[in-house]
Amino acid sequence: NAGVMQNPRHLVRRRGQEARLRCSPMKGHSHVYWYRQLPEEGLKFMVYLQKENIIDESGMPKERFSAEFPKEGPSILRIQQVVRGDSAAYFCASSPRQGYEGGYTFGSGTRLTVV
Amino acid sequence: AQSVTQLDSQVPVFEEAPVELRCNYSSSVSVYLFWYVQYPNQGLQLLLKYLSGSTLVKGINGFEAEFNKSQTSFHLRKPSVHISDTAEYFCAVIRNEKLTFGTGTRLTIIP
Repeated sequence: NAGVMQNPRHLVRRRGQEARLRCSPMKGHSHVYWYRQLPEEGLKFMVYLQKENIIDESGMPKERFSAEFPKEGPSILRIQQVVRGDSAAYFCASSPRQGYEGGYTFGSGTRLTVV
Repeated sequence: AQSVTQLDSQVPVFEEAPVELRCNYSSSVSVYLFWYVQYPNQGLQLLLKYLSGSTLVKGINGFEAEFNKSQTSFHLRKPSVHISDTAEYFCAVIRNEKLTFGTGTRLTIIP
């Protein structure tokens, strides 16, 4: 039973390019959460999605960032026109239902480096 | 608003010695509390959680934590650490589907 799968593990982009980060939740999980970990900081919530719906995007930067979780396929976090400050580790977590308080399962993350 | 404070950013401990990593929370409502561990270049792994019931919670790898409502604390303990416990530890609280993490405590085990 595979856990939360994120790819790529490492991503290097030049300033101005686009970054696409993918997250496949655990089997049977239909809720996905994205978190960002800046260097020397804790994880910060970005967005919460269910299939085909954005439930809470209160942690997403207003510009250049978007997320989706289509009916088929992985959840995608997209960063347009990346800047150096976007360099961070991006983690995805999943849960089986809304209101699940048992602790989310996290993926191994995508480490984005903007050069 | 809910938040957690991890008082120590780094904790060095000799191998086989006990350790306590401190976490205090602030919340005006009932809380669910978690400790996660992050090994170098890895994702987060759930160590233990407090939802309700017994205030002493046992987790994986020999760790335990005690929920103390009067002191608003949820400190993590292990009676004897091993080299393999070297990692960063995060305390977190959840509300409305969102985890709020502390800034982390880096545990370094000294041989």
